[in-house]
Amino acid sequence: KQEVTQIPAALSVPEGENLVLNCSFTDSAIYNLQWFRQDPGKGLTSLLLIQSSQREQTSGRLNASLDKSSGRSTLYIAASQPGDSATYLCAVHGNQFYFGTGTSLTVIP
Amino acid sequence: GAVVSQHPSRVICKSGTSVKIECRSLDFQATTMFWYRQFPKKSLMLMATSNEGSKATYEQGVEKDKFLINHASLTLSTLTVTSAHPEDSSFYICSARDLRGGVYEQYFGPGTRLTVT
Repeated sequence: KQEVTQIPAALSVPEGENLVLNCSFTDSAIYNLQWFRQDPGKGLTSLLLIQSSQREQTSGRLNASLDKSSGRSTLYIAASQPGDSATYLCAVHGNQFYFGTGTSLTVIP
Repeated sequence: GAVVSQHPSRVICKSGTSVKIECRSLDFQATTMFWYRQFPKKSLMLMATSNEGSKATYEQGVEKDKFLINHASLTLSTLTVTSAHPEDSSFYICSARDLRGGVYEQYFGPGTRLTVT
């Protein structure tokens, strides 16, 4: 069974800092990997989707990479802002979606 | 992107009653929808996969007689929590899968907060 792990579980950084969130998965047979943002008490907002044949995707200050062979993905956030504070979830899409444990990010003004 | 809605967004019910949650794909047809449950500060746990016109496939440990799933049309799936108990209080999220350009993409609803008193 696919297992998805995210490190760190929580992260607190000062505004303006660049940061990296990590996601690892055990089964490399995936269709794609997706990063989501979840605000407290809210649903999921899709940030970036990387197809299995791709290495990275970029959207604004966000860049996600995928290394299928090693079972790793990273989400890079540049010039963090207080509004980036949220929980970030990665999910791998194999025969179903498997979610990671999430990283709770706090950006301090 | 595609839109998935859920109704209601919040519901409070008394112990022993049943609650129905609706999940709709608004601008696409979804032969497959998924129901997830999220405990506080935890990740999403897949409960079941709902296929239009057939019985849902439940994950291990999920009681199918307690969590009734119906996927009667290509745009609607419902989750009914029967004889609800306080431990069923949780955040329930549905998602719908769409095939676009030969690629499956999954879209998530905004979630339903269920509180059983």
